[in-house]
Amino acid sequence: QITLKESGPTLVKPTQTLTLTCTFSGFSLRTNGVGVGWIRQPPGKALEWLVLVYWDDDKRYSPSLKSRLTITKDTSKNQVVLTMTDMDPMDTGTYYCAHVNWASRIFFDYWGQGIPVTVSS
Amino acid sequence: QTVVTQEPSLTVSPGGTVTLTCASSTGAVSSDHQPNWIQQKPGQTPRALIYSTSKKHSWTPARFSGSLLGGKAALTLSGVQPEDEADYYCLLYYPGVQGVFGGGTKLTVL
Repeated sequence: QITLKESGPTLVKPTQTLTLTCTFSGFSLRTNGVGVGWIRQPPGKALEWLVLVYWDDDKRYSPSLKSRLTITKDTSKNQVVLTMTDMDPMDTGTYYCAHVNWASRIFFDYWGQGIPVTVSS
Repeated sequence: QTVVTQEPSLTVSPGGTVTLTCASSTGAVSSDHQPNWIQQKPGQTPRALIYSTSKKHSWTPARFSGSLLGGKAALTLSGVQPEDEADYYCLLYYPGVQGVFGGGTKLTVL
């Protein structure tokens, strides 16, 4: 059974750096074709792809956010960490991590519950 | 910047059929874009429905189907149920680059 869960701060100040952790079970990031991605959703708005890391450490960033994002994986802990610098109130929203099965060309078949993040002073 | 466009909203009667589409600003959508469709009901976590254009997950109801139609990816719901009222997002993958979500279609069952 695949599960994912996001953790981290739910309130950050403008200009601060956000660090979120996705802890997962039921799969391994050592397995060929597997990946974990981060997606966000501002209140009342659409989903937005942020970044994805694959089993081979290949990383795919949203071009518009690439300069602010970093993704790392810790296969021993079954965790993926997202950092986003220079946070702005426009970055307020729910942040999700999700599983990718690239071997089957499946994006985001399993999702975490999401973590709401508010950017405010 | 690549833009993926969906109908902002659609309305369908219970038992009816509706098709949602997904277009790419770069040109015709093909199977190379690995179209995925995701459903999100109000207050809930998104749920994957379709991958690789037309393949269903084990939990996807039979009334949902995916296809390519006129240069776009399409999601068709046949025999719509009240519980299908939700936001639907398509996701296209651009080889070597990244994925882009569409703006979503709000489906009303009325």
